[in-house]
Amino acid sequence: QVQLVEFGGGVVQPGRSLRLSCAASGFTFSSYVMHWVRQAPGKGLEWVALISYDGSSEYYADSVKGRFTISRDNSKNTLHLQMNSLRAEDTAMFYCAGARGHGYGLDYWGQGTLVTVSS
Amino acid sequence: EVVMTQSPATLSVSPGEKATLSCRASQSVSSNLAWYQQKPGQAPRLLIYGSSTRATGIPARFSGSGSGTEFTLTISSLQSEDFAVYYCQQYYNWPPWTFGQGTKVEIK
Repeated sequence: QVQLVEFGGGVVQPGRSLRLSCAASGFTFSSYVMHWVRQAPGKGLEWVALISYDGSSEYYADSVKGRFTISRDNSKNTLHLQMNSLRAEDTAMFYCAGARGHGYGLDYWGQGTLVTVSS
Repeated sequence: EVVMTQSPATLSVSPGEKATLSCRASQSVSSNLAWYQQKPGQAPRLLIYGSSTRATGIPARFSGSGSGTEFTLTISSLQSEDFAVYYCQQYYNWPPWTFGQGTKVEIK
């Protein structure tokens, strides 16, 4: 069955960095574009970043552009999100999600990993 | 950026009744719209894509309609497991891929 498992979350001080990862199984990872979507406590869903099938294209929300970097390793079926210069407002549950293409809904979702930015 | 606006924010419905949720886009998104269900403590789950196509395993009581800027998610007869938050999302004009703020369906 399809599984997306995020890890790497935790408590980090403002200005520091954190790297999230998402391990995929049960589907052809390289045939899916991958998103990161976050959800602040008690709030709605916010799209964060997308990476194309082969990693050649990346897109970011304005709120994270220049601070976050999405990457993928298709040989290891793994997605990453490098988060630098973290701010209190980055505190959220981070979900990885897969879609068949840029113009498709998000078919598969992980259970999320919580990032808390606090001094 | 396409802004997605959902209404109402909260919908109180009795089990067995019909629920109608609305989603409006600030500009046309054609039929490139999805609906997601999120239960407390869980990840979102894709319900509907292409405005009206049910995702795999989604019961027939869930239906979607609309195109352009106005969309509707209908749950024909609410079951206990359907009480949740529902989000719409457009994937026509990107980046960004934008979500509505959500509609909470609660037990009346």
